[in-house]
Amino acid sequence: QKEVEQDPGPLSVPEGAIVSLNCTYSNSAFQYFMWYRQYSRKGPELLMYTYSSGNKEDGRFTAQVDKSSKYISLFIRDSQPSDSATYLCAMIPNTGNQFYFGTGTSLTVIP
Amino acid sequence: DVKVTQSSRYLVKRTGEKVFLECVQDMDHENMFWYRQDPGLGLRLIYFSYDVKMKEKGDIPEGYSVSREKKERFSLILESASTNQTSMYLCASKYGGPRDEQFFGPGTRLTVL
Repeated sequence: QKEVEQDPGPLSVPEGAIVSLNCTYSNSAFQYFMWYRQYSRKGPELLMYTYSSGNKEDGRFTAQVDKSSKYISLFIRDSQPSDSATYLCAMIPNTGNQFYFGTGTSLTVIP
Repeated sequence: DVKVTQSSRYLVKRTGEKVFLECVQDMDHENMFWYRQDPGLGLRLIYFSYDVKMKEKGDIPEGYSVSREKKERFSLILESASTNQTSMYLCASKYGGPRDEQFFGPGTRLTVL
């Protein structure tokens, strides 16, 4: 079993839709949770960062962590064509520097 | 702005060739990483380095080696390239704490014929 599981999609939604992206994990030592966005032919860039359980909002993006269920989510409100990208979840334990990535979900927002 | 640069965006090599991929970061980060990214497999860690001349194996080190002679530069070496090493290679760097952001380079698309 992989440490981090992510549905690869692809996901295709109309502009303005609410998008939900999810990851599950098996290692209870993970404490820091991140979402990266990767445009085609580019490196990933950090989108959201949360520590432990709870919600974090940044504009149209909300990251949610449920440690009891080992489940994290990224919500995108009022999705835009510019949100079309691959979204990768990542997590790291409290000690150590190795990141554990999901496989990424490909999202297309149709105008 | 943090910048992580990789020496080539696209590279085509032949089976058996020795291949060098270079990565440079300009933020004095202690940690540097090499990943490969393949469809359906996501990002897989090849090697990382937490200090000059220090290195640790990641999940898939076989067929690769690394060199970190200076803090800002981390090189990935394919001793004898094989077709199954055709992939997107991503370099990343970060400061030492687990809460610190990891910054990625633009990637090198390597094709081994």
